[in-house]
Amino acid sequence: EAEVAQSPRYKITEKSQAVAFWCDPISGHATLYWYRQILGQGPELLVQFQDESVVDDSQLPKDRFSAERLKGVDSTLKIQPAELGDSAMYLCASSLGALGTDTQYFGPGTRLTVL
Amino acid sequence: AQSVAQPEDQVNVAEGNPLTVKCTYSVSGNPYLFWYVQYPNRGLQFLLKYITGDNLVKGSYGFEAEFNKSQTSFHLKKPSALVSDSALYFCAVRVTGTASKLTFGTGTRLQVTL
Repeated sequence: EAEVAQSPRYKITEKSQAVAFWCDPISGHATLYWYRQILGQGPELLVQFQDESVVDDSQLPKDRFSAERLKGVDSTLKIQPAELGDSAMYLCASSLGALGTDTQYFGPGTRLTVL
Repeated sequence: AQSVAQPEDQVNVAEGNPLTVKCTYSVSGNPYLFWYVQYPNRGLQFLLKYITGDNLVKGSYGFEAEFNKSQTSFHLKKPSALVSDSALYFCAVRVTGTASKLTFGTGTRLQVTL
């Protein structure tokens, strides 16, 4: 069964350092999402891609966060500089399309700890 | 704005007993409703979804959910709980259109004991 791949699974960094997360969606999925999940809460959307284009980044803190999906396949989410409040689980998801009916399939996530 | 409420932080049930995890929603328009399960330090696994049609939706691992439009609810159910069902369960809602985000509830922790 195809799955969304993410790496690394865990990342510990010091504040003010740069970190990057990678995501490889299910093959053929045109839509890719990055979510942030703070402990005890549900995931919140950071950015949504349709192929290589950003369609929603309204919740992405653009002063420190950036995301790209250059060839419309895998994607990278970067934080620079990291802050203590960025400690969270970062989840990547993909779906065939962007319709409300399309199921989003999630990867295992990257647990970020900022010291 | 759309929203999801999961009124119970935790649900405790004995193995073999039926379980219900509650979810209510608020949207403008027709909702698309989803249930996901999350095990510790893992991503979310899709369980089932309601799009249209039959109000009773069957999903993975013996779970089902009932859509009730008048009560704006989408409760998750299972006839006989297993210890291995212990996890964090999230309800989520989306509406039609590509601009709609998937909005999650805060999650309900299910604890199944022997």
